[in-house]
Amino acid sequence: GENVEQHPSTLSVQEGDSAVIKCTYSDSASNYFPWYKQELGKGPQLIIDIRSNVGEKKDQRIAVTLNKTAKHFSLHITETQPEDSAVYFCAASMTSGTYKYIFGTGTRLKVLA
Amino acid sequence: DAGVIQSPRHEVTEMGQEVTLRCKLISGHNSLFWYRQTMMRGLELLIYFNNNVPIDDSGMPEDRFSAKMPNASFSTLKIQPSEPRDSAVYFCASSRTGSGNTIYFGEGSWLTVV
Repeated sequence: GENVEQHPSTLSVQEGDSAVIKCTYSDSASNYFPWYKQELGKGPQLIIDIRSNVGEKKDQRIAVTLNKTAKHFSLHITETQPEDSAVYFCAASMTSGTYKYIFGTGTRLKVLA
Repeated sequence: DAGVIQSPRHEVTEMGQEVTLRCKLISGHNSLFWYRQTMMRGLELLIYFNNNVPIDDSGMPEDRFSAKMPNASFSTLKIQPSEPRDSAVYFCASSRTGSGNTIYFGEGSWLTVV
């Protein structure tokens, strides 16, 4: 079955710097890769996603890249702000069949003011 | 639009008691997921429904756990009897088939079994 590995588990950056979180997946049939942000005491919230027919997607300060050949995808946050501090989860899924998400283990991002 | 609504948000119960967690899907959504989150295991899928039918319950840990969808917009997750190791945050999430597979989470039910 699918397996998703996420690194690093914790990440501290200075405000204004960039943060990068990386995930690898095992099932080449996976074709949908969402990223979720979870703030303390809340549920995961979708922040950006990418499908396998696209190599990169941007939304303001957030971008996601996908390398299908290497089976890895990354989240990039530029100009980090204290409110970006949260736990970030990647996931891999297929847009057909069981719709089962396999989540990474999460990255705790701390943005230091 | 209202998101996925879960209740209760917090529950503390004694070992052996029955626990019922509730979830209301986003209007128009037809897929329902129950997840459990712990420090040790992260986010685990417990069960997945599509159009009120359980499709994949391979993640349900034991017979003490059961989930139902009595109608298209509502679901319950029941634990009977509860045990301390069931303490976790339980998330409900929903999606709409054909919407690109995006699922939306509720705020979670924080369960503590003492």
